Amino acid sequence: TQLLEQSPQFLSIQEGENLTVYCNSSSVFSSLQWYRQEPGEGPVLLVTVVTGGEVKKLKRLTFQFGDARKDSSLHITAAQPGDTGLYLCAGIEAAGNKLTFGGGTRVLVKP
Amino acid sequence: NAGVTQTPKFRVLKTGQSMTLLCAQDMNHEYMYWYRQDPGMGLRLIHYSVGEGTTAKGEVPDGYNVSRLKKQNFLLGLESAAPSQTSVYFCASDTEGTEAFFGQGTRLTVV
Repeated sequence: TQLLEQSPQFLSIQEGENLTVYCNSSSVFSSLQWYRQEPGEGPVLLVTVVTGGEVKKLKRLTFQFGDARKDSSLHITAAQPGDTGLYLCAGIEAAGNKLTFGGGTRVLVKP
Repeated sequence: NAGVTQTPKFRVLKTGQSMTLLCAQDMNHEYMYWYRQDPGMGLRLIHYSVGEGTTAKGEVPDGYNVSRLKKQNFLLGLESAAPSQTSVYFCASDTEGTEAFFGQGTRLTVV
């Protein structure tokens, strides 16, 4: 069982539709990050959330950190083919010091 | 700026052979990590280091060893490669709680 569980594992939608990816855990995190990975490349950071209840927006992407700092969500509005990729959540436990990743959500946006 | 550099980028090993993967970062980061990524999956932590001369086990440490003799370098060793270690290996570095920077990955095949 992974420390961070992402759902769904795979999402295929049409251009213009909205989507939400979830990242859940039973542990409390001091911070949680979302990365996006393209084929053949390493992950690249999208956002870091550190405060329970925090909401951050990055153009059409909205990130939310749960009040209890155990979960997070990524919402994409009006998805575009350029949003296609592997989305990964990662966090540092409140009582730990290592960066742990979820299993990833593969998003495919069809034109 | 080089960032995080991994060598080699590709390698094919025979079962039982040994090899060392090198990770170098020029950002003066304290933390360094080695992950493996299998097809369609997220990143699993193998070993990590919170500073020069220190190492710690991650989620999947068996069959691997690491060393951090210099702050800028983190080496991952496979003493006796097995087909189950076929994977893409990513090195990353960060300062605790901040953005993790990744290398381009090393694609390893064990036959």
